[in-house]
Amino acid sequence: QKEVEQNSGPLSVPEGAIASLNCTYSDRGSQSFFWYRQYSGKSPELIMFIYSNGDKEDGRFTAQLNKASQYVSLLVRDSQPSDSATYLCAVKDTYKYIFGTGTRLKVLA
Amino acid sequence: DAGVIQSPRHEVTEMGQEVTLRCKPISGHDYLFWYRQTMMRGLELLIYFNNNVPIDDSGMPEDRFSAKMPNASFSTLKIQPSEPRDSAVYFCASSILPETQYFGPGTRLLVL
Repeated sequence: QKEVEQNSGPLSVPEGAIASLNCTYSDRGSQSFFWYRQYSGKSPELIMFIYSNGDKEDGRFTAQLNKASQYVSLLVRDSQPSDSATYLCAVKDTYKYIFGTGTRLKVLA
Repeated sequence: DAGVIQSPRHEVTEMGQEVTLRCKPISGHDYLFWYRQTMMRGLELLIYFNNNVPIDDSGMPEDRFSAKMPNASFSTLKIQPSEPRDSAVYFCASSILPETQYFGPGTRLLVL
């Protein structure tokens, strides 16, 4: 059974801090890795995806991938109260997408 | 663009009834995905299509579930007969490339 694991949280950080969200996956054959944000009662929105080991930056967000450790993370810099949401990690192998259950982030003003 | 359109937005039905959920993808998108989200199991991919052809339906929970995509602008997810454990939010998503999925607003299904 392929799995994607996330700490459910909540992860609470003060406004302006860096929030670090983590995800591990079980299938070494996984090829693509995604981070989605989901506000309460809303649908998921893609933040970014990453294929290669290392860091990928997009605005205040940085995705980090370490395939050897089967670990992907998302850093949210200068966190804002509007970043408070559930963050879903997803992993794709050849055809299949598997989502984690999400980490709830709370940014305290 | 209007985005992915799903109907109905809310559905309440009784156990044993047939439920049909509908999705209109974003025009020009070749991929269409159906997901189910519950508190216990999170977001699960049920099935996805590419150019109207089912690519992976291994997430469809059992024979009570079926999905069709008769043309590029319409898809249905049917549950027959419905059971209380089917209560969830069902999302449809579409994309040009599979990496960049756009989700619809979802259908909240409650089976009594």
